[in-house]
Amino acid sequence: DAGVIQSPRHEVTEMGQEVTLRCKPISGHDYLFWYRQTMMRGLELLIYFNNNVPIDDSGMPEDRFSAKMPNASFSTLKIQPSEPRDSAVYFCASRNGTVYEQYFGPGTRLTVT
Amino acid sequence: GNSVTQMEGPVTLSEEAFLTINCTYTATGYPSLFWYVQYPGEGLQLLLKATKADDKGSNKGFEATYRKETTSFHLEKGSVQVSDSAVYFCALSAYTGRRALTFGSGTRLQVQP
Repeated sequence: DAGVIQSPRHEVTEMGQEVTLRCKPISGHDYLFWYRQTMMRGLELLIYFNNNVPIDDSGMPEDRFSAKMPNASFSTLKIQPSEPRDSAVYFCASRNGTVYEQYFGPGTRLTVT
Repeated sequence: GNSVTQMEGPVTLSEEAFLTINCTYTATGYPSLFWYVQYPGEGLQLLLKATKADDKGSNKGFEATYRKETTSFHLEKGSVQVSDSAVYFCALSAYTGRRALTFGSGTRLQVQP
């Protein structure tokens, strides 16, 4: 299996621009998670889906952030408009509903200038 | 709510030294417990897990035992190598409620030759 795939690996954008991060979970996994990692706040859960349905989005910082999962093999996290404080590494993870461990992608390093 | 507390880092050791990274948790019920490792520039990788009290998880020379009486899951390795230099995260997953992992703040390990 290819593991969780994220794209792009690096993104540099200017403040005010729209940013879209993409994730392909491991085939057969029915949970998908978006995390953000910063030095100051560590790992934060943003949102997670079960069977493509958002279950808990309480970690989404504000309305500028949105996430979708149109099918079992694809999810996006969008930031519009982006701000410098959104600079972080964004991870996608997935898991099979019968076990509890999650498998992480390599992350997208976002820099907003 | 659920929480995980890890010892602060960085932990600096010489090659072949004994490693202990402390982890304690607070959770409702009987969670599953995990250690993840993050190498520079990469995503988190599952290192080992334990799903019930007194279980011992092990992988690549690392071990951790689920201690319900002390609510702990300390990570140990008998002889560290330079290649073990990374950030280590303790995490738990509860059986009820939120299906996401709760992570500790991470402990950076630096192994010197």
